[in-house]
Parts: sequence; structure tokens; C-alpha cells
Amino acid sequence: QKEVEQDPGPLSVPEGAIVSLNCTYSNSAFQYFMWYRQYSRKGPELLMYTYSSGNKEDGRFTAQVDKSSKYISLFIRDSQPSDSATYLCAMSRNSGNTPLVFGKGTRLSVIA
Amino acid sequence: GAVVSQHPSRVICKSGTSVKIECRSLDFQATTMFWYRQFPKQSLMLMATSNEGSKATYEQGVEKDKFLINHASLTLSTLTVTSAHPEDSSFYICSAPLGGVPGGRIGEQFFGPGTRLTVL
Repeated sequence: QKEVEQDPGPLSVPEGAIVSLNCTYSNSAFQYFMWYRQYSRKGPELLMYTYSSGNKEDGRFTAQVDKSSKYISLFIRDSQPSDSATYLCAMSRNSGNTPLVFGKGTRLSVIA
Repeated sequence: GAVVSQHPSRVICKSGTSVKIECRSLDFQATTMFWYRQFPKQSLMLMATSNEGSKATYEQGVEKDKFLINHASLTLSTLTVTSAHPEDSSFYICSAPLGGVPGGRIGEQFFGPGTRLTVL
């Protein structure tokens, strides 16, 4: 079993739809959870950062972490064509400069 | 916000040549940087951890003699692909963690824009 599982998609939705992206993980040591957005042929950019369980909202984006279920989600409200990208979940075990563990990434297309 | 740059953004080379990729943290110091490789439609695969002032730590299956990493200063790490072959063609991305930077969050990393390597 991989440490982080993420459905690669592709996921295609109409403009204005609510998008739900998810990852599951197996290592209970993960404490820090992130979502990165990566446009084609570009480096990933940090979208959401969450520590431990709970919800975090930033504009149209909401990140949820359920450590008891080892499940994290990213919701995008009122999706726009500019949201079309690959979304990668990432996790970190502890403090210090340890590398992130990434999901495979989900390719999202928002159709106008 | 923190900025990480990479140079070059794209390189095409002949088989057998060596290619150097630079990763710089522009407005903060990074004692550690990470190098990733990404094949088309695949996720980022960690290749190695670059440590300022000491040897890099390579992931299993990554040839340290082929992928030379030098963390020359607190703002610069270089990856040299030696004797490149077509199978080395990929998107190489570096990142720098902000955990030790004032205001930086534990686990947060900033990524460079990536370098697309094509070996003919």
C-alpha cells in the first residue's frame, strides 16, 4: 500500500460546479497537510496548508483533514476554467526539513 | 512570499553530455533543498535531499554518481546530470522548505518553476 493514495482522474466538471478532491494515507505520523496546484509544465504552488485535523477556508477553497480516518479533502466552490490544473496532496511527518510525501495528483478540467 | 528560482528552464542536449541545473532561494536561506523528478502525467518523485555543507542524501534507486548534487551555499543547490541519456529526459524540480525561516510554517515548501530536460 502506498503511503498516500490519490485518484489521478482526469476529472472534468462544468464551470460553476463544486469540485471535491481527496487523498487517503496510511501513516498516522503525518501532521502537516498541504494541497499544491500545478499548471502544465510549471512548478507546484502551495494552495492550502493545514496542521492536524480540522477545516480551513480560503476564498473558494476549503481544505479538510480527518486524521481519525486518514482522509483529506480539497473543495473548490464556483469552479472556474482557470482552476484547470493538477492538484497534488502532500504530507509531512514532523518538524524539521523533511521531504513531503505526495499523492499522484488529480488532473482537473473545468469546462466553460 | 518566498521565491525559488531554477535555471535553465529548458535544456536540450545530446546523449553523453552533462547538464547542470541550478536552484536558488532568492529571499531566504535554505540549509536544505529537495530535488524531484516528474515524468509526464506522473507525480513528483523525490530524488535526493541537498544539504548545505554536507553530502546529499539520495533516495533508493537514484544513482548518486549520475546525479551529482552540490549545495554550495545557503541559497544555491545544483544538480548535474552526468552522461545524460534519453531516459533521463524529464521535468526536474527543486524545492526549499521554510520550516527554519522566520514566519515559515513547518512542512511548507516552495518549489522552483522546474527545468525540462530533453536528451536526444
